[in-house]
Amino acid sequence: EAGVAQSPRYKIIEKRQSVAFWCNPISGHATLYWYQQILGQGPKLLIQFQNNGVVDDSQLPKDRFSAERLKGVDSTLKIQPAKLEDSAVYLCASSLSGSQPQHFGDGTRLSIL
Amino acid sequence: GQQLNQSPQSMFIQEGEDVSMNCTSSSIFNTWLWYKQDPGEGPVLLIALYKAGELTSNGRLTAQFGITRKDSFLNISASIPSDVGIYFCAGAGGTSYGKLTFGQGTILTVHP
Repeated sequence: EAGVAQSPRYKIIEKRQSVAFWCNPISGHATLYWYQQILGQGPKLLIQFQNNGVVDDSQLPKDRFSAERLKGVDSTLKIQPAKLEDSAVYLCASSLSGSQPQHFGDGTRLSIL
Repeated sequence: GQQLNQSPQSMFIQEGEDVSMNCTSSSIFNTWLWYKQDPGEGPVLLIALYKAGELTSNGRLTAQFGITRKDSFLNISASIPSDVGIYFCAGAGGTSYGKLTFGQGTILTVHP
C-alpha cells in the first residue's frame, strides 16, 4: 500500500511569511496527525483529526498555526506569520483509528530565514 | 505536560555488539512504543508494548514495558551497520495510540 504522502519536502521562507503543508494519508485511515519535530528532539503532536473533526489541538499555537481536513482525507497545515522558532520538520501520520499504530510520512523540512 | 527522558543521548559501538537504551517518565503510560528514524525520513514503528512487564521481540530487537509503567527499555543484539539511526521511545497515556509523547531520541552509530 502507498504510504503517507507529504509535500513539499523542503521549504525555505522568510520570517513573517506564510507557508502551507499538504498531507495525503494512507487510504482508509480515519485518523490523521500533524507533528512538529525540532532538530535534536522527538516529534511533538500539534493536532489530531478523526475524519474531518478535531480530536486534540491542545498543543497547536492557534495564534499562527491552523489545520484543516475538510473532506476527511487530505489535510493542510498552515503557519501565518512564520517565526524563526518554527524552523522544524513537520510530520504527518495516519492510522486506521485512534487505537491503531501511526504510520508517518517523510515530513516537510521548513527553514525560516 | 508529560515528559520522557531517554538515555543515552548517543552511542558509538562496533558492529556485532549489543545495545541497550531506556526511557523513563514521571507519569504512567498504558502503551510504550519504540520507533527508528533514518535521516530525511519519518519514524518507523519497531515494537509496541501494551502490558506492564511485557517483553516483546522483533528479530534482533527486544523491548520491555516496565512494571511501574513509567519506564521501558530496548535492546538490539548483534548490531549491524544498518541499525544506524535515531531511536525514539513514545508513550500513550490513554487506551489509544492517539496522543503520543516522544522521548528526545538516542543516536546510534555502528562502526563496521
